[in-house]
Amino acid sequence: QSALTQPASVSGSPGQSITISCTGTSTDVGGYNYVSWYQQYPGKAPKLIIYGVTNRPSGVSNRFSGSKSGNTASLTISGLQAEDEADYYCISFTSIETYVFGTGTEVTVL
Amino acid sequence: QVQLLESGPRLVQPSETLSLTCTVSGGSISGYYWSWIRQSPGKGLEWIGFIHYTGRTNCKPSLKSRVTISVDTSGNEFSLRLTSVTAADTATYYCAKYDSGTSTYLDYWGQGALVTVAS
Repeated sequence: QSALTQPASVSGSPGQSITISCTGTSTDVGGYNYVSWYQQYPGKAPKLIIYGVTNRPSGVSNRFSGSKSGNTASLTISGLQAEDEADYYCISFTSIETYVFGTGTEVTVL
Repeated sequence: QVQLLESGPRLVQPSETLSLTCTVSGGSISGYYWSWIRQSPGKGLEWIGFIHYTGRTNCKPSLKSRVTISVDTSGNEFSLRLTSVTAADTATYYCAKYDSGTSTYLDYWGQGALVTVAS
């Protein structure tokens, strides 16, 4: 059960849009619409920002959106803001009824 | 508002057993799935396992031989035991709750407990 693959880092200027990919296999990301995304600030617990591939919890900015194509899920942050600078993780349900996290992506706002 | 709090020894000797408890307040443990996640210093998140309030569990295959997750509905808490620990098990351990619908995402998290494995 290998970790899902995310880019180690992504950066963008304020106001720009960035996209973070999360690549797995047909036995996890590709097989189920159970991908969620979490935002984590240093020293803090992760916070849910996307669930069920595309759904946003109440209170989460609509600048965050999720999608999936094949074995790759994506998180897009539009209108990048300084407060978006954090680590982001995807996680997917798997065919053996476990879950696997992505490797994590550090987002930098230039 | 559900709150989760991890408790247990913060220093564990190598080869010993790590034991943590997650106490749930502001809601009942019944009816939900619950999870343990860990994060080694400076590293990414690692899913350890889940437990249903009925006791049904599953965990990461590579940890299965060392992990036990249990639930105490009367105490509104669930626990993690990790045997034969090494320095590689040094991490912040989080407990979390799965959602009430599909039970496929973690909507509430504890603050985390840093456990160090050292002599």
